[in-house]
Amino acid sequence: KQEVTQIPAALSVPEGENLVLNCSFTDSAIYNLQWFRQDPGKGLTSLLLIQSSQREQTSGRLNASLDKSSGRSTLYIAASQPGDSATYLCAVLRNSGNTPLVFGKGTRLSVIA
Amino acid sequence: EPEVTQTPSHQVTQMGQEVILRCVPISNHLYFYWYRQILGQKVEFLVSFYNNEISEKSEIFDDQFSVERPDGSNFTLKIRSTKLEDSAMYFCASSELVAVELFFGSGTQLSVL
Repeated sequence: KQEVTQIPAALSVPEGENLVLNCSFTDSAIYNLQWFRQDPGKGLTSLLLIQSSQREQTSGRLNASLDKSSGRSTLYIAASQPGDSATYLCAVLRNSGNTPLVFGKGTRLSVIA
Repeated sequence: EPEVTQTPSHQVTQMGQEVILRCVPISNHLYFYWYRQILGQKVEFLVSFYNNEISEKSEIFDDQFSVERPDGSNFTLKIRSTKLEDSAMYFCASSELVAVELFFGSGTQLSVL
């Protein structure tokens, strides 16, 4: 059974700092991995999708990497801003067709001005 | 930009009552999903739906739950007799194809009293 773990559970950084959020998964047979942002009491906003054949994806100040063999992904946020404060979730899709996303519990990020 | 729309944003009901949560997926998407998130816990898969039938469902999705696509635009989740433990944020999602990026709605916060 696929398990997704995100460390740390919470992170507080000063504005402007670069930071890395970690995601690990137990079964490396994944089809893709998706990073989401969740604001308190709100929905999930898709940030980046990495296919299993890719090593990384970039969108603006965000860069996500994937090491499938070791079961790890990282989300790098450059030059953090207070508006980046949110919970960041990673989710993996198993390598067997129309199967559900398995989510981690998320990392709650606070960027202090 | 197209988005998944969910109504209502909040629903309060009494234990034992029936509730229907509504979703309008992105118009050219073919796959539809319901997930839920109990406060402080991971986002969990409930059900996936394609071509007017359930593709996959989790253990949570028991006989009290049902889904329907009553017309060309709406996708609904019905809980027949709500329990206290059904209190959660319910998210609808859709995707254009299988195993690609999922787009989530902003959720319906269900409170069962």
